[in-house]
Amino acid sequence: AQSVTQPDIHITVSEGASLELRCNYSYGATPYLFWYVQSPGQGLQLLLKYFSGDTLVQGIKGFEAEFKRSQSSFNLRKPSVHWSDAAEYFCAVGAWGDYKLSFGAGTTVTVRA
Amino acid sequence: KAGVTQTPRYLIKTRGQQVTLSCSPISGHRSVSWYQQTPGQGLQFLFEYFSETQRNKGNFPGRFSGRQFSNSRSEMNVSTLELGDSALYLCASYLGGLRDTEAFFGQGTRLTVV
Repeated sequence: AQSVTQPDIHITVSEGASLELRCNYSYGATPYLFWYVQSPGQGLQLLLKYFSGDTLVQGIKGFEAEFKRSQSSFNLRKPSVHWSDAAEYFCAVGAWGDYKLSFGAGTTVTVRA
Repeated sequence: KAGVTQTPRYLIKTRGQQVTLSCSPISGHRSVSWYQQTPGQGLQFLFEYFSETQRNKGNFPGRFSGRQFSNSRSEMNVSTLELGDSALYLCASYLGGLRDTEAFFGQGTRLTVV
């Protein structure tokens, strides 16, 4: 069975500082990995995805993530955080041809001025 | 083009009642999935429909059901509502191709059971 662990429930970061959100997955085959962001009361917006190929993936809003098979990780990074990045972030794993995603518990990011 | 549309956005129901939520996928998308989001359990997969057929189902009781129409619109129904059914219900649509696994989510329906 596939599963996702996001070890950090809450992260506080200063505006302009860098951000890294951790994600570890468990999946038997080659996973499809995603990062979504959710603002309060809203749906999920896709930040980036990894299917295959280059292990460093660029997404929207200046985010990037690196797939490390040996560590079963897919950590999300942003070099310089903006106040608008305050939100909840979810890592998810899926499989080829399977439209069922397994989500991590989420990490809430607070940005202080 | 228009995104995934979920209606209504907010609902308040009484225990024991039933409720129907609607999801209109992105035009051309043939697959619709439903998720329940609660503070305690997080995001959990309910079921997925493709071309009017349920292809996958999560671990939820039979009170939760769904269907998909020929125009790909989907509805989910919850019967005999319980307080624990209070949640944000999210719908996601997929293009439906063999290599397509990118989900586009709607804004959700916030269900409150009192």
